[in-house]
Amino acid sequence: DQQVKQNSPSLSVQEGRISILNCDYTNSMFDYFLWYKKYPAEGPTFLISISSIKDKNEDGRFTVFLNKSAKHLSLHIVPSQPGDSAVYFCAVRGFQKLVFGTGTRLLVSP
Amino acid sequence: DAGVIQSPRHEVTEMGQEVTLRCKPISGHDYLFWYRQTMMRGLELLIYFNNNVPIDDSGMPEDRFSAKMPNASFSTLKIQPSEPRDSAVYFCASTLGPQLEQYFGPGTRLTVT
Repeated sequence: DQQVKQNSPSLSVQEGRISILNCDYTNSMFDYFLWYKKYPAEGPTFLISISSIKDKNEDGRFTVFLNKSAKHLSLHIVPSQPGDSAVYFCAVRGFQKLVFGTGTRLLVSP
Repeated sequence: DAGVIQSPRHEVTEMGQEVTLRCKPISGHDYLFWYRQTMMRGLELLIYFNNNVPIDDSGMPEDRFSAKMPNASFSTLKIQPSEPRDSAVYFCASTLGPQLEQYFGPGTRLTVT
């Protein structure tokens, strides 16, 4: 009964192209939606978030889109760079805590 | 400025043994979270503390798992007895207040044979 699902375990993209990572959630009561990035042998680090009252938030090359009717969250990275190769976790915030998905491994090739 | 510190970084143990994972949160942070990462379930929240008090331990898999936070600068996660299915990477994270940005430690990779 995963509340947050990332159905693509991996994604490969060429440098300079767009990377689109997707996430679905089940509960419409969450108030914030987030993306974390994780490099090997390191802990996850916060990347970007969006409030439930918005449908888009941009931060440089990273944009998060929220479709509440579809309960769907996506992260766009444009242009993708080899340094973006990492595992990306989407997360939702319930009461004081975060619920994470299973992660998507992004590989950006030169 | 030190981040979240976890020890050991790697632990290999035999089934049935007791395992203790340690965490030192960022100084001044009042929330501490323990997570487990597996391929199948991703990052699962096991338990979290606020001001050293356990608030939600609903993610602790079973009675073999226990966590303590005796003071604001130290927490432990204990597994007794350990089983092969406990093999995973265990992360500790801390925040000041229930913030969106949690600061994670580097994790402890546990292997139970």
